Amino acid sequence: GAVVSQHPSWVICKSGTSVKIECRSLDFQATTMFWYRQFPKQSLMLMATSNEGSKATYEQGVEKDKFLINHASLTLSTLTVTSAHPEDSSFYICSATPVGGGVYEQFFGPGTRLTVL
Amino acid sequence: SQQGEEDPQALSIQEGENATMNCSYKTSINNLQWYRQNSGRGLVHLILIRSNEREKHSGRLRVTLDTSKKSSSLLITASRAADTASYFCATDRSGGSNYKLTFGKGTLLTVNP
Repeated sequence: GAVVSQHPSWVICKSGTSVKIECRSLDFQATTMFWYRQFPKQSLMLMATSNEGSKATYEQGVEKDKFLINHASLTLSTLTVTSAHPEDSSFYICSATPVGGGVYEQFFGPGTRLTVL
Repeated sequence: SQQGEEDPQALSIQEGENATMNCSYKTSINNLQWYRQNSGRGLVHLILIRSNEREKHSGRLRVTLDTSKKSSSLLITASRAADTASYFCATDRSGGSNYKLTFGKGTLLTVNP
């Protein structure tokens, strides 16, 4: 149980294009979903927290207009990287907290590798 | 900003040996967790220790927590080649927004067969 999927697992795009990454909780409903970014050989940096039906809360320094987050249902959150540039190349990981679960019950997706040419 | 700091940053051992990784943090916490990440993959939750606990075991894993020193250690006993991965500690803070996990920088463990 408690499986989180991400799609796509990897994507290569040209500079200036937009890329959408999906995060789904497959066997539970998620109150909250989190989006992280990880550069090679570095730790995870929280980008934003999203709750179903409300606007995402972004961490300091994360551009809201560049990283659009939509949490349309209790099982789906999407991250859209708009007008992607090479510096946006990174590993993006989502996590989800089950309804009724505490913050410590975060289940992580397998990650999406984004490469912007 | 990253609260956790793991050391060592990299650790290489032989199969069968024990591996110890440490994590330090700066603010008061509710819980501290350890995660494993294989190269290019997502995170796997290993163990959670609450702020009022001092030690916890799970299989070959032993975690300690010293809140007075704001530090934790993860011990993997009788290591296997399959334990090769990066290990991260993550804390959630007491008193503040309890939605967020703050991750440490990680320790890259290599277990040589």
